[in-house]
Amino acid sequence: EAGVTQFPSHSVIEKGQTVTLRCDPISGHDNLYWYRRVMGKEIKFLLHFVKESKQDESGMPNNRFLAERTGGTYSTLKVQPAELEDSGVYFCASSQVFGMVGSYEQYFGPGTRLTVT
Amino acid sequence: DQQVKQNSPSLSVQEGRISILNCDYTNSMFDYFLWYKKYPAEGPTFLISISSIKDKNEDGRFTVFLNKSAKHLSLHIVPSQPGDSAVYFCAASEHPSNYQLIWGAGTKLIIKP
Repeated sequence: EAGVTQFPSHSVIEKGQTVTLRCDPISGHDNLYWYRRVMGKEIKFLLHFVKESKQDESGMPNNRFLAERTGGTYSTLKVQPAELEDSGVYFCASSQVFGMVGSYEQYFGPGTRLTVT
Repeated sequence: DQQVKQNSPSLSVQEGRISILNCDYTNSMFDYFLWYKKYPAEGPTFLISISSIKDKNEDGRFTVFLNKSAKHLSLHIVPSQPGDSAVYFCAASEHPSNYQLIWGAGTKLIIKP
């Protein structure tokens, strides 16, 4: 079974530019999450999709961030325009439908390291 | 205000000995706690969890202890192996079905041969 994949693994952009991160969850996982870790600090929740619907986006820092999950499969996270403080590692995770055995466990992708210069 | 704290940024332990990683939390509504392990260039991997109705959960070499009155949990690894060298994150939620996990900053564990 393929794990959660993320693309790109690393992105370096200039302040003011746009970047789009992609996440492919484990097949069959309805829940998809985005997290961010700023250098050496805690991992912070950004948002949670159930299929194509945003269940909770309370962690999104501001309206420069836009997440989509069209068709309930892969998800994209767009940052436009990027600022210096957006630098960090963006993790995507997925989990099964609530109520299934082991559904609380979130499976993480390797992350995308975003550097804004 | 950080609700989950891992006060030791790093910990060095001799191979074969016990590793003890600590985590403190401030939110008394937290009801479910997890430990994740992370290798460089990889995402966190679930290790072990514990519900607040328990004070101990064991899985092989890994045991998590929960002290609700002290708002403290710890992860014990016995015996420690070189492959255990990684960053360990403590995370918490108000309910197992509450998907929004609140994370600590991580502790880097180094196992010395």
